[in-house]
Amino acid sequence: DGGITQSPKYLFRKEGQNVTLSCEQNLNHDAMYWYRQDPGQGLRLIYYSQIVNDFQKGDIAEGYSVSREKKESFPLTVTSAQKNPTAFYLCASSARTLTDTQYFGPGTRLTVL
Amino acid sequence: GDSVTQMEGPVTLSEEAFLTINCTYTATGYPSLFWYVQYPGEGLQLLLKATKADDKGSNKGFEATYRKETTSFHLEKGSVQVSDSAVYFCALSVLEESSYKLIFGSGTRLLVRP
Repeated sequence: DGGITQSPKYLFRKEGQNVTLSCEQNLNHDAMYWYRQDPGQGLRLIYYSQIVNDFQKGDIAEGYSVSREKKESFPLTVTSAQKNPTAFYLCASSARTLTDTQYFGPGTRLTVL
Repeated sequence: GDSVTQMEGPVTLSEEAFLTINCTYTATGYPSLFWYVQYPGEGLQLLLKATKADDKGSNKGFEATYRKETTSFHLEKGSVQVSDSAVYFCALSVLEESSYKLIFGSGTRLLVRP
């Protein structure tokens, strides 16, 4: 089945530690995105990537980093510089050149202890 | 800048009631409009979309019409079920630097009681 997978579903981190969230897609989509969702709020864009080895900052990139070494994978690292990292993180992808519709993974809930 | 405004929730309805969730937008140009649904603890699922004025998107009994004159994209369903309980997000798509980006409303929680 084609889709987007994110792992792990729940992640706990101590303050001061970096942590990496995984996102993989087998939809052959060019573009991939990372969003952050806080309780009772909409989604805010962290980073996005249109093609391999290229990515751009979104609206709230500070304290986060990404890489795009393969088309299928777009991991997000939450660094210790992120002041308030506890949130629900969603990955999405789209066939950039064909449509603007984005499809989402199941999400990772990160809690900083 | 571009933005999306949704009615605040929660919206609480009895089963088989009529649903309307209001969504208005501000945008330059002619964005595509979307409704996504999020069930508890899950990611977002695309519910429906419309790409130009007067288009009607529909799926699973839900409908929304792209109204350019009122800059609205209200979500409707004639008869809701308990299983429709979820958070609904309205979004618009903007093209920036050759890449599409979604701008989301804050979401509206729907609770349907038996």
